[in-house]
Amino acid sequence: EVQLVESGGGLILPGRSLRLSCAASGFTFDDYAMVWVRQVPGKGLEWVAGIGWNSGIIGYSDSVKGRFTISRDNANNSLYLQMSGLRTEDTAIYYCAKADEYTFGRGNVFDVWGQGTMVTVSS
Amino acid sequence: QSVLTQPPSASGTPGQRVTISCSGSSSNIGSNYLDWYQRLPGTAPKLLIYRSNQRPSGVPDRFSGSKSGTSASLAISGLRSEDEADYYCATWDDSLSGPVFGGGTKLTVL
Repeated sequence: EVQLVESGGGLILPGRSLRLSCAASGFTFDDYAMVWVRQVPGKGLEWVAGIGWNSGIIGYSDSVKGRFTISRDNANNSLYLQMSGLRTEDTAIYYCAKADEYTFGRGNVFDVWGQGTMVTVSS
Repeated sequence: QSVLTQPPSASGTPGQRVTISCSGSSSNIGSNYLDWYQRLPGTAPKLLIYRSNQRPSGVPDRFSGSKSGTSASLAISGLRSEDEADYYCATWDDSLSGPVFGGGTKLTVL
């Protein structure tokens, strides 16, 4: 079964750091690009970051550029999101999703999603 | 504020046909394929329509998508109670160099 499982969320103080993980199974992880997408409760989906199969192409939304770092470990079928300088507006459910092709970019279709992990940034 | 604009809500009765719109601009919908995702209550988003009008295996043909210019729409025919969910449109934005999503439309089956 194709599956993505996120972990690492929780309650964190503003300004602190947190690392999210996404464990992939049921498919050849290093054949596909991956992304992180978040959703503030009650709001729409927002793309956060994306990474190609070999980490050669990486992109970030303007709202997290310079604060968040996406990475992957193909040997361990894992995707990560290192978040620093967290702000209250980063409070959201964070989903990892698989793209349908190896490169991150135009035309990506996100065909598998995890259940999400909640990040709450609050003092 | 989402880059793609969707109505916040839609509704219909069982058996009816409903459509959900999604509007954007020349840098996103106008120059790229559009996808639709369905999020049932308490679950992860699920790909519903890709490349504007293609259905992944397992998605009933009651669901269809179309695109014209800088707008797109999702049509659901023969509405069923299990279609009650949030629906999101998505595409690539050439100006932002990343995927963009609509704000979502909550579909209620009356």
